[in-house]
Amino acid sequence: DTGVSQNPRHKITKRGQNVTFRCDPISEHNRLYWYRQTLGQGPEFLTYFQNEAQLEKSRLLSDRFSAERPKGSFSTLEIQRTEQGDSAMYLCASSPSTGTGNTIYFGEGSWLTVV
Amino acid sequence: GENVEQHPSTLSVQEGDSAVIKCTYSDSASNYFPWYKQELGKRPQLIIDIRSNVGEKKDQRIAVTLNKTAKHFSLHITETQPEDSAVYFCAASKNEKLTFGTGTRLTIIP
Repeated sequence: DTGVSQNPRHKITKRGQNVTFRCDPISEHNRLYWYRQTLGQGPEFLTYFQNEAQLEKSRLLSDRFSAERPKGSFSTLEIQRTEQGDSAMYLCASSPSTGTGNTIYFGEGSWLTVV
Repeated sequence: GENVEQHPSTLSVQEGDSAVIKCTYSDSASNYFPWYKQELGKRPQLIIDIRSNVGEKKDQRIAVTLNKTAKHFSLHITETQPEDSAVYFCAASKNEKLTFGTGTRLTIIP
């Protein structure tokens, strides 16, 4: 079990630039999630995929954010025209798709700092 | 949507004593309640979870209880050790979406 892999682990970008994060879930997991965590807070749900289908998006996910999972394996999260308020840790997670209440495993996260 | 409240926000206990963290949730349809431990700069790591058809679950020094009627669940850590120091998050899940509490910073005093 190689776990959920995310890269880059750290990204510093200037305001207004675009950034993209990649997530590779645990290989047999069909469900993939993106969360955002700011300092001192719990992770907040952003979006969720079942295979390649994006099933739910939080209203936190403004139109500057887009997530894809084109072949049902890895996923990308792109943030366009970054703002300082986007600075956070972006966590990817995955789980198997057997019914409900599945254990969700998190990756190490991608830290974004917008300057 | 779901709302999860967690208390206390900070907790200090002497090594060897027990620690209890409590959470309440608002949506009675939530059916899965995990607890995560997060060390500084690291990912949340699942330490124990409970599903809505179970009232209590124990794994060595860690136990979780769930009261569906009152919509609250608690984490109990016994015989605390210095390595238990971390931030702990509870969460409630409905339709595969986790809603997290605000976290409890647990400090174990040697």
